[in-house]
Amino acid sequence: TQLLEQSPQFLSIQEGENLTVYCNSSSVFSSLQWYRQEPGEGPVLLVTVVTGGEVKKLKRLTFQFGDARKDSSLHITAAQPGDTGLYLCAGPLYNFNKFYFGSGTKLNVKP
Amino acid sequence: SAVISQKPSRDICQRGTSLTIQCQVDSQVTMMFWYRQQPGQSLTLIATANQGSEATYESGFVIDKFPISRPNLTFSTLTVSNMSPEDSSIYLCSGGTGGRSPNTEAFFGQGTRLTVV
Repeated sequence: TQLLEQSPQFLSIQEGENLTVYCNSSSVFSSLQWYRQEPGEGPVLLVTVVTGGEVKKLKRLTFQFGDARKDSSLHITAAQPGDTGLYLCAGPLYNFNKFYFGSGTKLNVKP
Repeated sequence: SAVISQKPSRDICQRGTSLTIQCQVDSQVTMMFWYRQQPGQSLTLIATANQGSEATYESGFVIDKFPISRPNLTFSTLTVSNMSPEDSSIYLCSGGTGGRSPNTEAFFGQGTRLTVV
């Protein structure tokens, strides 16, 4: 059983389209992080959301933490081929250094 | 931020043999972790590498299969023992500074792609 479920699992869109990726759990997290991973590389942190209801923006990426701190979303506006990659949400359990990762969303943006 | 280097970056091994993966961090980190990842899929935590004591394993992973060493604050090894094709995967090392802030970031090595034939 996956502690953090992501949807969709796969997403293939055209350049310029918008998309949203969801990360859901039945557990409450003190924070959630979003990572992007490219082939042959380790995951790289994009953002950390801490407060329930928090919204953070990183250029064309908008991240939201659910009010109950059980879910999060990542919205990309006007996707570009450079956004292609595996997007992972992750939450700390028991301490802020041990992370459990979501099931992952593989995004492909076609030019 | 910390830079994590893993060796080897990839290997093809015969079933029944063992492979030791090394993880070197360029600065001292309090916490080090080992993950396994199928290509294009999520990461599964194998264990926490504790300095000077036995590693703490997650459910489904045991020390006999994945012995881990952590002799100091900048180095750890993971051995995949008595390998079978099911062990083919990407193995990732991660380090954390042990901070108590929710903004604590996990740093990852580039991974070791293991194929067992």
